[in-house]
Amino acid sequence: DSGVTQTPKHLITATGQRVTLRCSPRSGDLSVYWYQQSLDQGLQFLIQYYNGEERAKGNILERFSAQQFPDLHSELNLSSLELGDSALYFCASSVNPRTGESDTQYFGPGTRLTVL
Amino acid sequence: GENVEQHPSTLSVQEGDSAVIKCTYSDSASNYFPWYKQELGKRPQLIIDIRSNVGEKKDQRIAVTLNKTAKHFSLHITETQPEDSAVYFCAALRGGGGYNKLIFGAGTRLAVHP
Repeated sequence: DSGVTQTPKHLITATGQRVTLRCSPRSGDLSVYWYQQSLDQGLQFLIQYYNGEERAKGNILERFSAQQFPDLHSELNLSSLELGDSALYFCASSVNPRTGESDTQYFGPGTRLTVL
Repeated sequence: GENVEQHPSTLSVQEGDSAVIKCTYSDSASNYFPWYKQELGKRPQLIIDIRSNVGEKKDQRIAVTLNKTAKHFSLHITETQPEDSAVYFCAALRGGGGYNKLIFGAGTRLAVHP
């Protein structure tokens, strides 16, 4: 168990709909990252937040948005869903001032999104 | 732009043999190189990492080597076991100041046959 939690585990929805994925980082971690992994594909970096602020952006679609809240949990919002958005969405966290760890990213269990 | 190339994409070995996976990165400012193991439908799990000021690191049956000049790093697994079967991802990070963007390789599917 990495200490990173994600809800829900599974999500089935229809095209055109909007969903919200939630992530709670490891205790004390300030950074949250979102990744998309399509079937049998690699890990595509979407976006990073650090202590509530956006820090880095990958190939995130305009239909997708994210935020990090004051308690450091993060949400990834996916709207106008298309069949191709079906994937595993992982959250990871890092940067812990208490332990001094900064580089290692710990992954949550993922949310499997199926768009029908 | 930033890029990490990983080879081979698939690797099949007999139990007890060694397995080697190689990665090349493009950003010379990268300073941290983790390796993740991902079993089917599960989260990527960190198995070993190396920093740019170190040339080699070992942890039991796994080792990682780094050649900064060639911008090349490799994962070595000795005495492979069936439970080593998984997809392995290398990554390179240019970190510091809260900007920690990991660039992943495309992955290597390792199959260890009994």
